[in-house]
Order: sequence, then structure tokens, then C-alpha cells
Amino acid sequence: TAGITQAPTSQILAAGRSMTLRCTQDMRHNAMYWYRQDLGLGLRLIHYSNTAGTTGKGEVPDGYSVSRANTDDFPLTLASAVPSQTSVYFCASSDSGRSNTGELFFGEGSRLTVL
Amino acid sequence: GQNIDQPTEMTATEGAIVQINCTYQTSGFNGLFWYQQHAGEAPTFLSYNVLDGLEEKGRFSSFLSRSKGYSYLLLKELQMKDSASYLCAVMDSNYQLIWGAGTKLIIKP
Repeated sequence: TAGITQAPTSQILAAGRSMTLRCTQDMRHNAMYWYRQDLGLGLRLIHYSNTAGTTGKGEVPDGYSVSRANTDDFPLTLASAVPSQTSVYFCASSDSGRSNTGELFFGEGSRLTVL
Repeated sequence: GQNIDQPTEMTATEGAIVQINCTYQTSGFNGLFWYQQHAGEAPTFLSYNVLDGLEEKGRFSSFLSRSKGYSYLLLKELQMKDSASYLCAVMDSNYQLIWGAGTKLIIKP
């Protein structure tokens, strides 16, 4: 099984441009998440979705938006990229939004550089 | 504020044992997790502790003391493939995961 697929794997983007990072899962998990990972910092939650049709803000939502039109897809959009959004972005899913199971399944990451 | 502390980097020898510590201060507690992340790859789930004590899973064990806000991950019979970053994360009272910055473990022959 594919699990979680992210695209693109890496991207260089000019500041001010928009960009959508794609995330698709085939595990029928109801909860999905977007994290950014920066050197020396823990994973930081950008946005999440507990179920299709709902989204919520995480720790660092500014400059990002998400949508959850269906169970499988959870795209992350940067409307106008800034250099501070240079990071590695991970999409993740779990089989329950508020359970304490805790096991997240991660995509392989998208490395974004904003110049 | 909420905080997860773990050492930035550790070095150990192949075949030996290493203990990676994690201390936390969070708003509530609904479990502590350890993930492994090889360089350039996604994190993968290792263990989950919600009650005090030791959970053993093969060469890896994880310990939790809720009263001390403390956990450790114990890796035995180290192999070169264990070279990775180990991430500690705590689920707070709102069921949000708070992540430590990770411990980079270097294994030497």
C-alpha cells in the first residue's frame, strides 16, 4: 500500500508566489495533519483536520491554508510565500482525531525553499 | 508554556546500550510517544506510554514516570542502522502532540 503520498518532493519557490503541497492517503484515516520541521526545533503543527469537511489551526497557521474536501486529500497552500516558510513539510494521518492511540503515519516530506 | 527537553546529540558504540532521556512540562498528559527518523526520511512510530513503567519491544524499551515528567528510550545491542534521530512527543490535555527537537544518535563501529 502507498500509505501517504506527498508532492512535490522538493521545490524552490520565489518569494511572493503561491504554492500548494499535495497530500493523499489511502488508509481511510479520518485525521490528517500538516507539520513543518526546522533544524533545532520540534515538529510544529500548521493545520489539522479531524474528519472530512473540517479543519483546525495548529501552532503555526499564519501564511498557510488547508482544505479537506474528502477523506483522502489534504492540500496545504501558501498564498504568498516568504523566506521564513523555507522548511521541510510533513503530512501525516491517524485513524482517530482525538484518541490517544497516537500513531501517526507520515508522508516522505516536501522540502520547500523560498528565495 | 509547554516544553519537551531531550539531548541534541548522543554517540554510542555498535553492540552497546544507549539511553535517550526526555523530560516534559505540558498542560495535561495523554501519553508519551517515541518516533525514529532517519536522515532525510519521515518519522516512524516506535512506542507509546501512558502508564508508569517500562514497555519493551524487542531491542527497544521505553520508560515513563508521570510524577517526574520523565521518559527514556533504551536501545540495546545497537546496530549501525539505529543511527537516526529519536523524537519524543507528549499528547497534552487537548490531544495535541507537543514534540521535542529530537536526539541525533550516532553509532560508531
